[in-house]
Amino acid sequence: GAVVSQHPSRVICKSGTSVKIECRSLDFQATTMFWYRQFPKQSLMLMATSNEGSKATYEQGVEKDKFLINHASLTLSTLTVTSAHPEDSSFYICSAGRQGRSPLHFGNGTRLTVT
Amino acid sequence: QQQVKQSPQSLIVQKGGISIINCAYENTAFDYFPWYQQFPGKGPALLIAIRPDVSEKKEGRFTISFNKSAKQFSLHIMDSQPGDSATYFCAASGPFLPMNTGNQFYFGTGTSLTVIP
Repeated sequence: GAVVSQHPSRVICKSGTSVKIECRSLDFQATTMFWYRQFPKQSLMLMATSNEGSKATYEQGVEKDKFLINHASLTLSTLTVTSAHPEDSSFYICSAGRQGRSPLHFGNGTRLTVT
Repeated sequence: QQQVKQSPQSLIVQKGGISIINCAYENTAFDYFPWYQQFPGKGPALLIAIRPDVSEKKEGRFTISFNKSAKQFSLHIMDSQPGDSATYFCAASGPFLPMNTGNQFYFGTGTSLTVIP
């Protein structure tokens, strides 16, 4: 079946540094990937839609300059949290769907802790 | 506006019992309704999904019941086991077009299920 790989699974960084999270579709091409943020015991909050070869579409309230998304190929999207602050600490999850077919497959998430 | 409403927020069931989680949606254009299971520290994993052309889909101990006129769907977990303890999310999306992968999925708020041995 379709698999989405996300790396790293955990990252701890100091305030003010930047962190890059990778999301790869392993056995299918994904023209669109999605980035979510999840707070403890809460649902997934869509941050942005990553489109291969074009700019990402950000949800209202999500700072595009802080959460940089690059979807340079049909199998890779990256989320860079720039100048991270403790309030950016969260669980970030990516997802992707096979073209023309459901379902949406999720990566295993990245636990970001900013100290 | 919450596109998909999910209840209950938490559920405790005895081992061997039936767990039932309910969801309701607003947009009649949705045509795909998956359920995801999430364990702590992991991403959601697809459990089972249904399209509105059928009223029920069963896979092992998991069944989705779908009521198109009421715009509701539910997950039933038969013979619930402690290993089923997780957070469950319903979702809705669509309409799906053959060349389109950009459909946004709308998620419910999640149900934390605890199955007591």
